[in-house]
Amino acid sequence: EVQLVESGGGLVQPGGSLRLSCAASGFTFSSYDMHWVRQATGKGLEWVSAIGTAGDTYYPGSVKGRFTISRENAKNSLYLQMNSLRAGDTAVYYCARGSPTGSYGMDVWGQGTTVTVSS
Amino acid sequence: NFMLTQPHSVSESPGKTVTISCTRSSGSIASNYVQWYQQRPGSAPTTVIYEDNQRPSGVPDRFSGSIDSSSNSASLTISGLKTEDEADYYCQSYDSSNYVFGTGTKVTVL
Repeated sequence: EVQLVESGGGLVQPGGSLRLSCAASGFTFSSYDMHWVRQATGKGLEWVSAIGTAGDTYYPGSVKGRFTISRENAKNSLYLQMNSLRAGDTAVYYCARGSPTGSYGMDVWGQGTTVTVSS
Repeated sequence: NFMLTQPHSVSESPGKTVTISCTRSSGSIASNYVQWYQQRPGSAPTTVIYEDNQRPSGVPDRFSGSIDSSSNSASLTISGLKTEDEADYYCQSYDSSNYVFGTGTKVTVL
């Protein structure tokens, strides 16, 4: 069974840092692009970052320079290092697998981990 | 960067048909594939349509997708509405290393 399990969420003060992890199983992790997508309470989905199979990384302007996505294929794991956190970064963070069909979509999602930025 | 705009909400009775639009603000809707995700309350999103009109295995054929270049929009149609279809639906597309989600539509089954 294909599965993504996020961890590492929690309460952090503004300006602080947090590292999220995503454990993948049931598929050849190294062969897939991977993403982080977040959702603030009552709001829509927002793409946060992507990493390709070659380690190439992509970010929207809202997190560029503050967030770093990485992967460790030997451990079937995806990470998101978040620095200089702001109240606006408070959200559920989902790990998602990039679709293998070349559609630039996501085909499998984890259940999410909650990040709260507050003093 | 472009935006994808959806109606805030739609509602219909069981057994009826609803169509959700997703309008691209700039650039052609046909230039990159559109996906549709369903998110039930308290759950993670799941894919119901990929590559404009393809259904993943396990998604019933009551769900269909299309694009219309004349209106620069994509549409998700749910026919034979069931109470289990009550959820938020998001379109998503891509351009120039940027992944964009639509604003989301809440579907209520009356």
